[in-house]
Formats: sequence, C-alpha cells, structure tokens
Amino acid sequence: GEDVEQSLFLSVREGDSSVINCTYTDSSSTYLYWYKQEPGAGLQLLTYIFSNMDMKQDQRLTVLLNKKDKHLSLRIADTQTGDSAIYFCAVRYSGGGADGLTFGKGTHLIIQP
Amino acid sequence: NAGVTQTPKFQVLKTGQSMTLQCAQDMNHNSMYWYRQDPGMGLRLIYYSASEGTTDKGEVPNGYNVSRLNKREFSLRLESAAPSQTSVYFCASSEYASGGARETQYFGPGTRLLVL
Repeated sequence: GEDVEQSLFLSVREGDSSVINCTYTDSSSTYLYWYKQEPGAGLQLLTYIFSNMDMKQDQRLTVLLNKKDKHLSLRIADTQTGDSAIYFCAVRYSGGGADGLTFGKGTHLIIQP
Repeated sequence: NAGVTQTPKFQVLKTGQSMTLQCAQDMNHNSMYWYRQDPGMGLRLIYYSASEGTTDKGEVPNGYNVSRLNKREFSLRLESAAPSQTSVYFCASSEYASGGARETQYFGPGTRLLVL
C-alpha cells in the first residue's frame, strides 16, 4: 500500500529556516498537503500542492515537489516560536481504494531560542 | 461559521461500554471522514462518507460503525469499547471526496478517548 515517511524531529534556531522533508512511495499521487498540529489541537491545513507543480510559495512557506524522487518538502522562513508544532505530510492518491488521505507520522519542529 | 465541531472533547469508558462520537460541519461539505491518531503514528482513516447517504470503510474500520445522519452530521459508534481503541479521534470534511482542490480536508479539534 501507500506509504508516507517523515523524520520524527527537527530542531532549528529561532530566525533560521526550517526544512521539513517527506517521501512517498506511490507515483499516482494527486494532491500533497502539509498540516500543522499544535499541542492538544486538531490539524490545521497549511498549504497543498498539486502533483503537476514543482513549487508553491505562500508567505513564509515554500513547498517543493520532486516527483521523480517522490520527495516533498516544506520550508518555513524566519522560524518563530509560534511555529513549534507537529507537521504532517499527507498524500491524496488517485485511483481505487478508500478515499481520504495517507498521512506521515509527523515531524516535531523544535525551536531553540 | 464554526467549521468542524466534535463532541465530546474527552471521554473515559470501561471495556465493553458503548458510545457515539458526534461530528458536525457547517461548510455545506459533501464528504466527511473519521480518523484516529495514535502516539508516533500518523492519522489512519476509519470510515468516510463521500456524500450524504453513503459510507465506506477506510484503513482501520474494525470495531466501529458510522452513520451519516444528514449532510451536516457524521457520527462514529463504538459498540463494545476495547483498550486498543484508546486514541484521539478526528473528524474531517471536504467539499468533495475527489475533484482537485475541493477535496481539501478540514479537521475538527478531536475527541480524546480513554478505554480502561
């Protein structure tokens, strides 16, 4: 079945850029998403990219997609303490099977002062 | 516009008890979903409803039932709770289950369930 992999932790200094990486196994992906989860809260949609795009920028967020390597990344510029959260990569696959998204296990972003 | 709401926020059950988790959305979305989140895991799809009147199994449906009561509401029922069902449950909705950007999912705040 489909698989989505992420590193569990990323530690960065406040003000630096954070790059969170995600790899997936199935090339039939259509939409790829980044969600943010703060402690005790639900998932908040940050951004998404369609599989025919290479890059999408939205204020401090930049999403890069390398379809050949099945690699997705989220760059957060000028990381702030409020960016501390778990970031989930999610992939929407086309074709049969259940609808819904396949999620990675999430990357804990830790901000150092 | 409250988005996706879930009740209750917290629940403690004994093994064998039953309960229903409620979910409602006010975005006029056609599709709704139930996920569970366990420590160190991503979210796993339990059931979904692509449109009013339809429900389908996801990745981990065993031990659960769902009802799409109307377009707004999608409930998840545990008939005989087990400790393995201790988890955080998230409901989500999207305009459509497939169809490009309109399948973007919006999540509720979650229900934290402990089964003793």
